[in-house]
Amino acid sequence: SFVLTQPPSVSVAPGKTARITCGGDNIGTKSVHWYQQKPGQAPVLVTYYDSARPSGIPERFSGSNSGNTATLTISRVEAGDEADYYCQLWDGSGDRVVFGGGTKLTVL
Amino acid sequence: QVQLVESGGGVVQPGRSLRLSCAASGFTFSSYDMHWVRQAPGKGLEWVAVISYDGSNKHYADSVKGRFTISRDNSKNSVYLQMNSLRSEDTALYYCSKVGQFGENWLDPWGQGTLVTVSS
Repeated sequence: SFVLTQPPSVSVAPGKTARITCGGDNIGTKSVHWYQQKPGQAPVLVTYYDSARPSGIPERFSGSNSGNTATLTISRVEAGDEADYYCQLWDGSGDRVVFGGGTKLTVL
Repeated sequence: QVQLVESGGGVVQPGRSLRLSCAASGFTFSSYDMHWVRQAPGKGLEWVAVISYDGSNKHYADSVKGRFTISRDNSKNSVYLQMNSLRSEDTALYYCSKVGQFGENWLDPWGQGTLVTVSS
């Protein structure tokens, strides 16, 4: 079964760039999606198809995916970006959705 | 706008059953696959089940296979999760979500969730 590995936490200063990784075997061959979840709220889609952005999501959020790692990049980080971030893909071999374990982004 | 409203959660004893509902509005419900995802207190997201737009295909996480059943009623714009033989580890906030586009697998948007607590 496909496993997605995320670092438990990432810290970044305001105005800097945060990079949150999502590792998996040949993940670059799959489409990866990212969600932001703030405390007490439902998850919100921030990127899909590796790098596409839903309407309403700031351009500061971008994604990439190659080899064994997908990355969510948040530029010019703001205090309001502090949240948990989850990567997700569809595992066709098992007919199931797979989520990474989540990364807590802390804005210093 | 798209709205998903879950209901049916509550406190239930181990081994008992519960049925969750998700009422959808603001989109053509019968055109989209629907998912249930859960989140145990303080934990990450765990996918539970998916049902195809017409109800013909269903898939489950190994942790709930044989105990949970997903279904939908397109005439009522609703998706359901029948949960049997509940265990303490099923305690979680249960979200329903639609896929972002027909045939795709990203989830957008999500409901606010309904809390299930399995405890004696």
